Amino acid sequence: AQKVTQAQTEISVVEKEDVTLDCVYETRDTTYYLFWYKQPPSGELVFLIRRNSFDEQNEISGRYSWNFQKSTSSFNFTITASQVVDSAVYFCALSDNAGGTSYGKLTFGQGTILTVHP
Amino acid sequence: DAGVIQSPRHEVTEMGQEVTLRCKPISGHDYLFWYRQTMMRGLELLIYFNNNVPIDDSGMPEDRFSAKMPNASFSTLKIQPSEPRDSAVYFCASSLTAPSNQPQHFGDGTRLSIL
Repeated sequence: AQKVTQAQTEISVVEKEDVTLDCVYETRDTTYYLFWYKQPPSGELVFLIRRNSFDEQNEISGRYSWNFQKSTSSFNFTITASQVVDSAVYFCALSDNAGGTSYGKLTFGQGTILTVHP
Repeated sequence: DAGVIQSPRHEVTEMGQEVTLRCKPISGHDYLFWYRQTMMRGLELLIYFNNNVPIDDSGMPEDRFSAKMPNASFSTLKIQPSEPRDSAVYFCASSLTAPSNQPQHFGDGTRLSIL
């Protein structure tokens, strides 16, 4: 069965600090996909990144970076020089290959509440 | 480009009333999903459709919940009769082709309160 664990329930930082959000996943499949979503106070869910299990390259997008390590089943998310606008709930999610079918159910972690103080 | 559109944004109604939530997916997306978000259970998949056909409704909590997708641009989630424990934020999402490859794009959600 799939499982996504975000052990950090809440994180509080001061603006300009770097912050890393942890995500650990469990799956029996060799082919799977990992995602991060952001839920700002306004409530919508915003897609941030998708990564497949065969691509372990780290990715950087502006102040955001992601570190995927299959050896530890982790897909961590780092925000560099955090800003107040980064305050949100961040969800990590996992989708497997469902045995070769076209759809793998998306399983979400419980989310990490990030608060960035000015 | 228009994203996933949900209506209403907020709904407050009394226990026992019928509630209908609406969703318009992104044009061209052939997968549509309904999720429920609560503090206790987080984000739960209720049901999903592929090409307007329900594929997996195992997440639907009970017979009071039903969902339809009469065409590629419209879906409804209905609760009848509603109960206070149905209070939650309900999200609709859509995806292009195989969801395991493509990200799901979410609407703004409907915040439902059952009194």
